[in-house]
Amino acid sequence: QKEVEQNSGPLSVPEGAIASLNCTYSDRVSQSFFWYRQYSGKSPELIMSIYSNGDKEDGRFTAQLNKASQYVSLLIRDSQPSDSATYLCAVTPYNFNKFYFGSGTKLNVKP
Amino acid sequence: GAVVSQHPSWVICKSGTSVKIECRSLDFQATTMFWYRQFPKQSLMLMATSNEGSKATYEQGVEKDKFLINHASLTLSTLTVTSAHPEDSSFYICSARDPVVNTGELFFGEGSRLTVL
Repeated sequence: QKEVEQNSGPLSVPEGAIASLNCTYSDRVSQSFFWYRQYSGKSPELIMSIYSNGDKEDGRFTAQLNKASQYVSLLIRDSQPSDSATYLCAVTPYNFNKFYFGSGTKLNVKP
Repeated sequence: GAVVSQHPSWVICKSGTSVKIECRSLDFQATTMFWYRQFPKQSLMLMATSNEGSKATYEQGVEKDKFLINHASLTLSTLTVTSAHPEDSSFYICSARDPVVNTGELFFGEGSRLTVL
C-alpha cells in the first residue's frame, strides 16, 4: 500500500471554475501536510502547508485536512490557465525526517 | 522562503563516466538534505537522505556505490552518479528544510536533468 495516494488525473476544469484535488495517506502518525505545484520540467514549489484539522486559506487556495479520515485536499478557486500543472501531496511525521509524496494529480485549466 | 540552489541544471555525459551534482542551501544551514529522482510523468522517488558529517541514509533499492552522496558542510551536499549508464538518465532534485524555522516545508533545488548517451 502506498503511503500517499492521489488520483493521477488529468483533471480538466474551465477557466474560472473551482478545481478540487484530493489526497489520502496511510500513516496515522503523519503530522504535517503540504501541497506542491510542479510545472513540466521544473522542480516542485510549495503552495500550501497545513498542520491541524480544518481549512486553511491563502488567496485562491484552500487546504482542507481531516486526520480522522486521513484525507487532505486542495481547492483552487477561480482557476487560471497558469494553474495547469501537476500537484503533489506530501506528508511527514512530527520530526520531519521523511517526506512521502503522492504520484501527483495533473490539472488542466482550459481557457 | 528558504533558497536551495542546484548545479548543473542539465548535463549530458557519455556512458561510463561520472557526474557530480551540487546542492547548496543559500540562506540557511541544512544538517539534512534529501535527494530525489523523477522519471518522466512519475512522482518523486526519495533516493537518500544526506546527513552533514556522517554517512547518507539510502532508501531500499538504491545502490550506495553508484550514487555517492557527500555532505561535507552545513550548506553543501553532492550527489555523484558513478559509471553512468543510459538508464540513469533522469531528473535529480535535491531539497532541504530550514531547521531554525522548523515548520517542515521542504525547499527544492532547481533540479538537474541528466542524460547519459
